Amino acid sequence: DGGITQSPKYLFRKEGQNVTLSCEQNLNHDAMYWYRQDPGQGLRLIYYSQIVNDFQKGDIAEGYSVSREKKESFPLTVTSAQKNPTAFYLCASREDRNNSPLHFGNGTRLTVT
Amino acid sequence: AQRVTQPEKLLSVFKGAPVELKCNYSYSGSPELFWYVQYSRQRLQLLLRHISRESIKGFTADLNKGETSFHLKKPFAQEEDSAMYYCALSGGYGGSQGNLIFGKGTKLSVKP
Repeated sequence: DGGITQSPKYLFRKEGQNVTLSCEQNLNHDAMYWYRQDPGQGLRLIYYSQIVNDFQKGDIAEGYSVSREKKESFPLTVTSAQKNPTAFYLCASREDRNNSPLHFGNGTRLTVT
Repeated sequence: AQRVTQPEKLLSVFKGAPVELKCNYSYSGSPELFWYVQYSRQRLQLLLRHISRESIKGFTADLNKGETSFHLKKPFAQEEDSAMYYCALSGGYGGSQGNLIFGKGTKLSVKP
């Protein structure tokens, strides 16, 4: 079953701790993305990667970090520097061609207390 | 700057009524427009894109470059259409132009 897998579904952390969200895809897509979804805010781009070993900051990258060591994997680390980390995080991937749509994972809900 | 505006946070209609979810965009080049839908407890998924000019689940959307709009329409709403709808814009593939810019979303509620 091809697709994007995000884990875990729910994540709880104490303030001041870093936490890493997993995103794996077996669609052979080159590009991968991390979005944050907040009520009334829509989806905001955190980081994206169009090729292995390369990634770019999105609109709200502060307090986040990523890596892209493998084509299939694009983990997101929410650091203690992120001032408002509690949110729903969505990972997506896309084919390397024009007009290609994004394919999304099921998301990870992170709660930091 | 690229921007997508969905003016309605919530749209409530009765079953069988026509529905129109508004989307306006700001982009200087030739945009690619998409509508994504998120049903309760399901992942965000593509509903349709302007380049395909197709009807999906009875929904259509026409790109109006003069009005910079890409409104989503359905003549007869069904209860199963209740979901969160996002309009998105892309400047194509490649570099930051390929990234999708999303509107803030409209929650559609179809009442029986």
